[in-house]
Amino acid sequence: GQNIDQPTEMTATEGAIVQINCTYQTSGFNGLFWYQQHAGEAPTFLSYNVLDGLEEKGRFSSFLSRSKGYSYLLLKELQMKDSASYLCALRRDDKIIFGKGTRLHILP
Amino acid sequence: EAGVAQSPRYKIIEKRQSVAFWCNPISGHATLYWYQQILGQGPKLLIQFQNNGVVDDSQLPKDRFSAERLKGVDSTLKIQPAKLEDSAVYLCASSSYHLQGERANVLTFGAGSRLTVL
Repeated sequence: GQNIDQPTEMTATEGAIVQINCTYQTSGFNGLFWYQQHAGEAPTFLSYNVLDGLEEKGRFSSFLSRSKGYSYLLLKELQMKDSASYLCALRRDDKIIFGKGTRLHILP
Repeated sequence: EAGVAQSPRYKIIEKRQSVAFWCNPISGHATLYWYQQILGQGPKLLIQFQNNGVVDDSQLPKDRFSAERLKGVDSTLKIQPAKLEDSAVYLCASSSYHLQGERANVLTFGAGSRLTVL
């Protein structure tokens, strides 16, 4: 099976940097996704890591360590519109299993 | 490209009644997923189709939930009879089996169907 852990909630200030961690235990692993979900909306794709290391996409970066079962999503220059839930999800073959998500609150 | 279409957006029923949700995936996407998302939690996979065949339905409560994708395109998810704990958003997603690299298995979600069971 698989076990995915993320903090339930985090708070950060507009313009700052925040790191959202995700740890996992799984018997099989092909890659790790990060999705963003605004309240009342569907999740949207942010990033997908297969190999160890950091993938940067503008203000958002995602890191993966397969040996440690650990990933993080780094958000820079936070904006109010970044207030959302961030979902870590594992890909195992064709299955995508989601964690419970981290609700990020941005303060002005 | 058109997105994943779902209907209805909202449904309120009483317990023990039945309800059906419909999903039309992105054209050409072979894989279709139904997820249940309870308020404050992440999406939970209910059933996954590859074309019109079931890949995984291990978490589908089969005594009350059923789903089909008869022609390998659109799909319906039915609950009968509904319970209070079925109140949730039912998300349909699709992905293309044939994409490689980063886009492999990237799910595109529909807007969801919000169910309230009273």
